[in-house]
Amino acid sequence: QSVLTQPPSASGTPGQRVTISCSGSSSNIGSNTVNWYQQLPGTAPKLLIYSNNQRPSGVPDRFSGSKSGTSASLAISGLQSEDEADYYCAAWDDSLNGPSWVFGGGTKLTVL
Amino acid sequence: EVQLVESGGGLVQPGGSLRLSCAASGFTFSSYEMNWVRQAPGKGLEWVSYISSSGSTIYYADSVKGRFTISRDNAKNSLYLQMNSLRAEDTAVYYCARELLRWGQGTLVTVSS
Repeated sequence: QSVLTQPPSASGTPGQRVTISCSGSSSNIGSNTVNWYQQLPGTAPKLLIYSNNQRPSGVPDRFSGSKSGTSASLAISGLQSEDEADYYCAAWDDSLNGPSWVFGGGTKLTVL
Repeated sequence: EVQLVESGGGLVQPGGSLRLSCAASGFTFSSYEMNWVRQAPGKGLEWVSYISSSGSTIYYADSVKGRFTISRDNAKNSLYLQMNSLRAEDTAVYYCARELLRWGQGTLVTVSS
């Protein structure tokens, strides 16, 4: 059971806009920034969004992130076939039990 | 160019030990916090351990606490993960990551008899 909650799957057709949600709590998303990662089959995760809504150089502006309270979202506009991948959110958790990075369970995006 | 290259993975029997290494280049290693993250076959990402830039602050996931030890050698630009008392459920690809923003390609650890 992941600390951050993501839908296990999402889908869209080419050109559509898709959003993936990530729900947490006051000790993680509520008090720290959120990163998003894209993982293609057989490859390492690639940073897509950091600090809630910042794109590293080289990431298309079709990808955008937002955060509100204890939830965050990743939006992909102009969906392309190469966007078919697994997507993960992550945040630092200031839990009294011991600080840690926490991840969502991942969302498998299918481009129909 | 920032590079993180993991090594040391392989097949080990339950109860055995393994030491993973991560060689860093292309940046000032001693200035950055580092982490180990793992991914079991067909599963999601799981954070394993964190170490501050100086090595003075360390955190572990409950699942590895008391069995794994993270360390770093800033003079050698290297990060390590000593894994003892390995279990089948430790089978995963292990990634080193700089502040969870830059990741290596991973090294596979398989715990099986």
